Amino acid sequence: EAGVAQSPRYKIIEKRQSVAFWCNPISGHATLYWYQQILGQGPKLLIQFQNNGVVDDSQLPKDRFSAERLKGVDSTLKIQPAKLEDSAVYLCASSLAGGSSYEQYFGPGTRLTVT
Amino acid sequence: AQRVTQPEKLLSVFKGAPVELKCNYSYSGSPELFWYVQYSRQRLQLLLRHISRESIKGFTADLNKGETSFHLKKPFAQEEDSAMYYCALLAYSGAGSYQLTFGKGTKLSVIP
Repeated sequence: EAGVAQSPRYKIIEKRQSVAFWCNPISGHATLYWYQQILGQGPKLLIQFQNNGVVDDSQLPKDRFSAERLKGVDSTLKIQPAKLEDSAVYLCASSLAGGSSYEQYFGPGTRLTVT
Repeated sequence: AQRVTQPEKLLSVFKGAPVELKCNYSYSGSPELFWYVQYSRQRLQLLLRHISRESIKGFTADLNKGETSFHLKKPFAQEEDSAMYYCALLAYSGAGSYQLTFGKGTKLSVIP
């Protein structure tokens, strides 16, 4: 089966600019996750979708980050405006469902550099 | 709040030597623990989970609730084991959702 797809793979922007990342989960996977991984750290969950509804966005900095999954398939994560500390790899993952029994499959990530 | 600690950033072992990657956690509920691995230029992927109690690629991990640990072990390291390893804890975060909390990771380097 095809894996989780993400684009772009790399992005360099200046601070205060905007950026958007796209994720296409594995077909049939109802649950989609966005993680932020800062250099030297483990991934940190930003937001979790179940179909097109938000299940958990408690760690999403909502003043500058937004995410949507309008049709319950693809998702976009946006940062506006970006700060230097947003430099990180943004990982998308998906699973069949959100329960504890379901493995999360990760995409290749988008490496964002904010200068 | 839950926390996962991996005390070693880097672990170097010789090929054929035993490997132990340490992981400690703090969580008030009943934990579900995982090890994820990321090989060079590959995606993050699940290696094993404690509830399945299986050995994957020769690796095992036992949950020790008394010591709140979930160390990853392999008796004989192979060069292909060189990778970044993350310990993760799945915790219930409310409204029917579960959240994975990752440690900072340990880079395992197997010396030929």
